[in-house]
Amino acid sequence: EAQVTQNPRYLITVTGKKLTVTCSQNMNHEYMSWYRQDPGLGLRQIYYSMNVEVTDKGDVPEGYKVSRKEKRNFPLILESPSPNQTSLYFCASSPSRGGNTIYFGEGSWLTVV
Amino acid sequence: GQQVMQIPQYQHVQEGEDFTTYCNSSTTLSNIQWYKQRPGGHPVFLIQLVKSGEVKKQKRLTFQFGEAKKNSSLHITATQTTDVGTYFCAAISYNTDKLIFGTGTRLQVFP
Repeated sequence: EAQVTQNPRYLITVTGKKLTVTCSQNMNHEYMSWYRQDPGLGLRQIYYSMNVEVTDKGDVPEGYKVSRKEKRNFPLILESPSPNQTSLYFCASSPSRGGNTIYFGEGSWLTVV
Repeated sequence: GQQVMQIPQYQHVQEGEDFTTYCNSSTTLSNIQWYKQRPGGHPVFLIQLVKSGEVKKQKRLTFQFGEAKKNSSLHITATQTTDVGTYFCAAISYNTDKLIFGTGTRLQVFP
């Protein structure tokens, strides 16, 4: 079954404690991205990756890092989380950038206290 | 930069009433996509429109792409409680190949 899997699904953490949200897709997609969803702001792109070892900033990259060492994995790293990073995070993949269906993971609820 | 505005932000309807959400861009679009997110779920692709003036239907859902390729609409006829969720448009302008999501319209349907 084609899917995008992200973990953890729910996490409460404290300010400053580094955390990683993993993302994996089994569709051999080249393009992967991370979004955060906040009330009234819709989906905003954090980072994206066009292929292995190719990553770039989205609209709201501050406070986040990513890596793309393998095609299937695209982890999101919060080196020093802050309360304003409390949000719902979605990993997504598509065959390529632009004009293709985007497949979303089920989401990760992150609360930073 | 490119902006994609979506209205209304919220819509409450009685079951059986129609519903429409609108998506407007400041730039000409190469294509537009629509997604549905059920409460507690993740966005799921519904459809993509590419041609000027294009109209596509999926059962009770009708999707339109404006003649100038700067706006789009999603119309649901005779809403059902299963239509509850947030509907997002996502647009790509001719200037970039970047997909920009609208802010979404949250639909609530009362039985």
